[in-house]
Amino acid sequence: GAVVSQHPSRVICKSGTSVKIECRSLDFQATTMFWYRQFPKQSLMLMATSNEGSKATYEQGVEKDKFLINHASLTLSTLTVTSAHPEDSSFYICSAPPAAGMRETQYFGPGTRLLVL
Amino acid sequence: DAKTTQPNSMESNEEEPVHLPCNHSTISGTDYIHWYRQLPSQGPEYVIHGLTSNVNNRMASLAIAEDRKSSTLILHRATLRDAAVYYCILSSYGGSQGNLIFGKGTKLSVKP
Repeated sequence: GAVVSQHPSRVICKSGTSVKIECRSLDFQATTMFWYRQFPKQSLMLMATSNEGSKATYEQGVEKDKFLINHASLTLSTLTVTSAHPEDSSFYICSAPPAAGMRETQYFGPGTRLLVL
Repeated sequence: DAKTTQPNSMESNEEEPVHLPCNHSTISGTDYIHWYRQLPSQGPEYVIHGLTSNVNNRMASLAIAEDRKSSTLILHRATLRDAAVYYCILSSYGGSQGNLIFGKGTKLSVKP
């Protein structure tokens, strides 16, 4: 099946620093990717939709200036958490539907665990 | 997208079948029924999806009620590796053009 990777898998940073998380579709092209956040013992919450070649669309309550999204190619989307604070500590997960083929499914990355000290 | 209702948790014994129910009484005619599962500390994994007819794949079977207001994910022989949170999700775009809205899911425990 299709594979989505994320890097890094885990990151610890100091409060106030910025962290970049990469999401790559390894064997298919994705014009759209989705970014989710999951706090402990909670479900996934959609943060934003990343669109190749255009601006991302953010869900209500998600600060676009804090969570910068860049979808520079058909296989790569990046999420940058700017000026991270302890409340941004969470499990960040990306997903991508294939641009062709089995369009009724999405493929999820393994997630990136962010801990802000 | 319409809402789904699932039990918070279920238990199963290893090598026995598991039936995970999902109610979606407000489903629309164009809503696909998706099932994903999430193992601890991992991203969700696609399990199966369907529209009207029952579906089978190597992982599971999906039984859809005739009125489509409920469905059941069937794991034919549960293994310890099947312990996960199972999410039943409806998507009017089939998940390919729109995002997936996750509920709380059912946490499946499998006892040896």
